[in-house]
Amino acid sequence: GESVGLHLPTLSVQEGDNSIINCAYSNSASDYFIWYKQESGKGPQFIIDIRSNMDKRQGQRVTVLLNKTVKHLSLQIAATQPGDSAVYFCAEALNTNAGKSTFGDGTTLTVKP
Amino acid sequence: SQTIHQWPATLVQPVGSPLSLECTVEGTSNPNLYWYRQAAGRGLQLLFYSVGIGQISSEVPQNLSASRPQDRQFILSSKKLLLSDSGFYLCASTGTASTDTQYFGPGTRLTVL
Repeated sequence: GESVGLHLPTLSVQEGDNSIINCAYSNSASDYFIWYKQESGKGPQFIIDIRSNMDKRQGQRVTVLLNKTVKHLSLQIAATQPGDSAVYFCAEALNTNAGKSTFGDGTTLTVKP
Repeated sequence: SQTIHQWPATLVQPVGSPLSLECTVEGTSNPNLYWYRQAAGRGLQLLFYSVGIGQISSEVPQNLSASRPQDRQFILSSKKLLLSDSGFYLCASTGTASTDTQYFGPGTRLTVL
């Protein structure tokens, strides 16, 4: 079966620096990938997504990169702010059903002032 | 965008007692609905999903059941709770299109003692 994992469980960055959170997936059939942000005690919040026919997608201060060759996904956050401190999850979905996603265990991002 | 309501926010129940968690969705019609469970420090595990009234698919064998009595109402139940049922339960919703964003509710923290 598929599995989704994150390379590092924690990441600490200085305010204003760029952050890069990585994720590996194992199912080459996955065609939809999502990044979520979860603050303590709250539900996950959609950040950005990317489909398998794309390599890069940009949002506001965030960029997702997809490398299908090595089954790797990354989330880049520009000019990281204290409000970005949270747990970040990557998820993959099969059959283009966004809800039936397989989640990794998350990376905790801490932004130091 | 959609708004998802869940209640209660927190719940402490004894082993062997019944459970009923409710989720309602605003801002959309005929959504796909999902129940996830999140163990402490881990990612989300999909428990059930529903594509319509009375249509429930179970993703993992467990002590829980789900029902969808109305289009925008999704209920998670148990007849007898186990200690292992403790966790953070999240309801989620997507539209029916594969490109629709998944929205999460605020979650219910369940502790079984």
